[in-house]
Amino acid sequence: EVQLVESGGGLVQPGGSLRLSCAASGFTFNTYSMNWVRQAPGKGLEWVSYISSSRTTIYYADSVKGRFTISRDNAKNSLYLQMNSLRDEDTALYYCASGRYWEQGFDYWGQGTLVTVSS
Amino acid sequence: EIVLTQSPATLSLSPGERATLSCRASQSVSSYLVWYQQKPGQAPRLLIYDASNRATGIPARFSGSGSGTDFTLTISSLEPEDFAVYYCQHLRTFGGGTKVEIK
Repeated sequence: EVQLVESGGGLVQPGGSLRLSCAASGFTFNTYSMNWVRQAPGKGLEWVSYISSSRTTIYYADSVKGRFTISRDNAKNSLYLQMNSLRDEDTALYYCASGRYWEQGFDYWGQGTLVTVSS
Repeated sequence: EIVLTQSPATLSLSPGERATLSCRASQSVSSYLVWYQQKPGQAPRLLIYDASNRATGIPARFSGSGSGTDFTLTISSLEPEDFAVYYCQHLRTFGGGTKVEIK
């Protein structure tokens, strides 16, 4: 059974940092590209970041570029998102999502981890 | 940057009726268009990829069509479990969603 389990969310003050993790199992992690997608409360989906299976290609949404860093450890079947200089507008449920080919969408999703940025 | 516009924002229908959802891209995305379903409290579920291919385990009542800039997701006969929000996606861009609600 495929599982993606996010962790690391929580309440943080504006300007603070958090590191999200996503533990993958049940599929060949090192052959899948990975993404972070977020959803603000009551809002739609927003793609945040992409990393290729071999870590050679990385993309960020303009809204997080320069503040967030995506990484992965294929030996540990894990995906990470380092979030710095957090803003109120970063408050959202953060999903990790995987797909073998980015253009064909995301087959697998975690249940999400909630990040709340508030003073 | 590509913008995806979904319409209508809300679709009010009864079980058994046909649902037609639209997704329009601001420039051609060829056939690289994906559809998801999201129910309250759940993660999105992949329905359609490459505009018209059903993902694994997706019932045949869901179908996708289109290419270039205009795409359609059709649910041929709504089941009670189909009432949800539907999103289209091309790479880094999601549409704003269409909510299919019970009339």
